[in-house]
Amino acid sequence: DAMVIQNPRYQVTQFGKPVTLSCSQTLNHNVMYWYQQKSSQAPKLLFHYYDKDFNNEADTPDNFQSRRPNTSFCFLDIRSPGLGDAAMYLCATSRGGISGNTEAFFGQGTRLTVV
Amino acid sequence: AQKVTQAQTEISVVEKEDVTLDCVYETRDTTYYLFWYKQPPSGELVFLIRRNSFDEQNEISGRYSWNFQKSTSSFNFTITASQVVDSAVYFCALKVNNNNDMRFGAGTRLTVKP
Repeated sequence: DAMVIQNPRYQVTQFGKPVTLSCSQTLNHNVMYWYQQKSSQAPKLLFHYYDKDFNNEADTPDNFQSRRPNTSFCFLDIRSPGLGDAAMYLCATSRGGISGNTEAFFGQGTRLTVV
Repeated sequence: AQKVTQAQTEISVVEKEDVTLDCVYETRDTTYYLFWYKQPPSGELVFLIRRNSFDEQNEISGRYSWNFQKSTSSFNFTITASQVVDSAVYFCALKVNNNNDMRFGAGTRLTVKP
């Protein structure tokens, strides 16, 4: 059974129209990540939560926001999607702690198309 | 700053050939963690292995093996007797101690032809 679930798998949105991608997990992991992956590129970390602590990457555009209402759910909000935001968005979780000695578990991703 | 380099963009082999995927990393931290992930066409990143910086033992798991060498900052991945189902993009990644960020290399697209 899937442990990190992303909905929807495919999302089409209009240029400039706010869109929300969702991620849920059954692993009870305290760290949740959002990555952006464009075609033939490496996943790029946008931000992550360690419990309720939000950690934003310095180069993540303000257009991207995130919410984590509880341990199980995390949302990615794109306030005004541009054509350049079309990508695969990957959610991941890991057991965080003082060390980084834990692998991340990924969802299947949401492929976002902006028209 | 942490950096992962996968110099091989694409590799194509014929089934049953052995293939090695290279990964070179950079970090100033003395404690760090290296990972390999497989991304099949379906898109989900599948965890393959984690290695700690203080454990240089090589590992073998079935047809997969990993060679970790701190002296050359490399963590290479070998698939023995490749199969068509091994076709995917493979990513090497790095985390450092006290930091939950996971940094990925650019990935290597492996195509195994029948």
